Amino acid sequence: RKEVEQDPGPFNVPEGATVAFNCTYSNSASQSFFWYRQDCRKEPKLLMSVYSSGNEDGRFTAQLNRASQYISLLIRDSKLSDSATYLCVVNDMDSNYQLIWGAGTKLIIKP
Amino acid sequence: ETGVTQSPTHLIKTRGQQVTLRCSSQSGHNTVSWYQQALGQGPQFIFQYYREEENGRGNFPPRFSGLQFPNYSSELNVNALELDDSALYLCASSLSQELDGYTFGSGTRLTVV
Repeated sequence: RKEVEQDPGPFNVPEGATVAFNCTYSNSASQSFFWYRQDCRKEPKLLMSVYSSGNEDGRFTAQLNRASQYISLLIRDSKLSDSATYLCVVNDMDSNYQLIWGAGTKLIIKP
Repeated sequence: ETGVTQSPTHLIKTRGQQVTLRCSSQSGHNTVSWYQQALGQGPQFIFQYYREEENGRGNFPPRFSGLQFPNYSSELNVNALELDDSALYLCASSLSQELDGYTFGSGTRLTVV
């Protein structure tokens, strides 16, 4: 079983719609969670950290469910510029500074 | 403040050759982590350097080695290149080991033929 799993997609979504995707992680002791965004052939960029209480940044909302060991990302009022691959990242508790990455979920926003 | 700079941006090497990739960390950052990202996959941790010492290593063979210099820049060396080493190599710098403070360079795309 992979340590961090994501649906690879692609998710094809019309502009203005709301889209959500989940990521599951295997290590129940993991403490830090992140969503990164990666555009085609570019480096990943931090979208948001995911806190236990959940957090929101504009149109983006991240949630953590420790009991079921998943994190989610919700994008409201999607824009064409949201098209990208969204990577779920969890810290490696065996060595606290290492990040374990999912393979990413590809999102395509259509006009 | 300058960001993370990687060089070269693209590289083509022949199987069996050796390659050195370079990374200049963001100003003020003392930690550099290297990742390998194969096509369609998430980045895989190679190793991390903190104040010139290797501070953790992922599941990569010894032919992957690195250095960090006093100015916190870093090199990734790969010996005896294999076709499967073809990937995007990403360098990320941070201050100490702040997990949410990673800044990535734009990567070096290595193709082994």
